Amino acid sequence: DTAVSQTPKYLVTQMGNDKSIKCEQNLGHDTMYWYKQDSKKFLKIMFSYNNKELIINETVPNRFSPKSPDKAHLNLHINSLELGDSAVYFCASKVNGLTPLHFGNGTRLTVT
Amino acid sequence: DAKTTQPPSMDCAEGRAANLPCNHSTISGNEYVYWYRQIHSQGPQYIIHGLKNNETNEMASLIITEDRKSSTLILPHATLRDTAVYYCIVRVAGGGNQFYFGTGTSLTVIP
Repeated sequence: DTAVSQTPKYLVTQMGNDKSIKCEQNLGHDTMYWYKQDSKKFLKIMFSYNNKELIINETVPNRFSPKSPDKAHLNLHINSLELGDSAVYFCASKVNGLTPLHFGNGTRLTVT
Repeated sequence: DAKTTQPPSMDCAEGRAANLPCNHSTISGNEYVYWYRQIHSQGPQYIIHGLKNNETNEMASLIITEDRKSSTLILPHATLRDTAVYYCIVRVAGGGNQFYFGTGTSLTVIP
């Protein structure tokens, strides 16, 4: 199936731990994104990569480090997890231009 | 930052048309209007987009006012599966320009 896929779907961890979320798209898209949706359901952009190059970093703490090994993958590594990091994280991708975003189904991160 | 205003919630009877309004009074000439929806626990799903002409696809119709300061998304025959949060977004075309989501409208389709 052609899609944006994220793993894991659920992630429960303790404060202070380091964790990673993986995202892969097989749509041949040029640009990939990470969005965070908090408990109030507000969907906020975090990062944007175009052809493995970071183009947007929306004032996200440097505990969050995206890595794009190739155009089809954008992983999110989070150091020293805090309670406030609990949220649903969505990966998305698109082709350059007016084309729409395609989202994955999210990773629900719970920090205890 | 979101540049749109939407009512927080709406109800619609099943089988009737759902008309979701969006105000984007500060829209500039090169900004497009996009609509997405998010069904509970899923990733947002693209619906439709347009610049100034009305648009229609298999999911919905988009009506943009002549001054482009507002638009309406129309779901012609709402079903229970259309219950979702609907987001209206304005965005400039170009690789570096991002999609900023507002708070959206929570649409409930009632049997």
